[in-house]
Amino acid sequence: ILNVEQSPQSLHVQEGDSTNFTCSFPSSNFYALHWYRWETAKSPEALFVMTLNGDEKKKGRISATLNTKEGYSYLYIKGSQPEDSATYLCAFMNTGFQKLVFGTGTRLLVSP
Amino acid sequence: EAGVAQSPRYKIIEKRQSVAFWCNPISGHATLYWYQQILGQGPKLLIQFQNNGVVDDSQLPKDRFSAERLKGVDSTLKIQPAKLEDSAVYLCASRPDRYEQYFGPGTRLTVT
Repeated sequence: ILNVEQSPQSLHVQEGDSTNFTCSFPSSNFYALHWYRWETAKSPEALFVMTLNGDEKKKGRISATLNTKEGYSYLYIKGSQPEDSATYLCAFMNTGFQKLVFGTGTRLLVSP
Repeated sequence: EAGVAQSPRYKIIEKRQSVAFWCNPISGHATLYWYQQILGQGPKLLIQFQNNGVVDDSQLPKDRFSAERLKGVDSTLKIQPAKLEDSAVYLCASRPDRYEQYFGPGTRLTVT
């Protein structure tokens, strides 16, 4: 059974704070790691698809890093804004199953 | 490009009733997924279609859940009869290539 863990479960920050979340996944048979942002009542939106050890990706104020050898990825948000409030999901794909296994998500609330 | 469409967006039913959800994937996407996301958990794959054939339905409770993909395009997911523990968001996603999945907005089901 593949286990993907995310921490923290929830986070409440003030506007302007920078924050980061962790996603842990199995380090063997790695294929890809996905990050999604899911706002209430909307579709989960793909942020990053990461495939190579040492990958660093950036989209605006959001960036992510990947360490496949130790099985973790970090998502960073610089200068959080209220519109960043959402649940951030990571999902692991291994070479055998070709399907996504999701973590439980980190729920972020950014207060003005 | 139109996104993944799902209907209805919300449904409230009593236990032992039946319910059906509909998904229209992005045009040209051969792979379609149904996920169940229970509050506090990550999305869990129920079934994966490649065109109109089932690739993986290992986590589909087949005694009460069924799914079909008509002509390799639209898909329906049915629950008959529903139980309280089926209360969840049901997400449909489609995939154009090896990595990224595109999600619909989901159907929030409440079973009372």
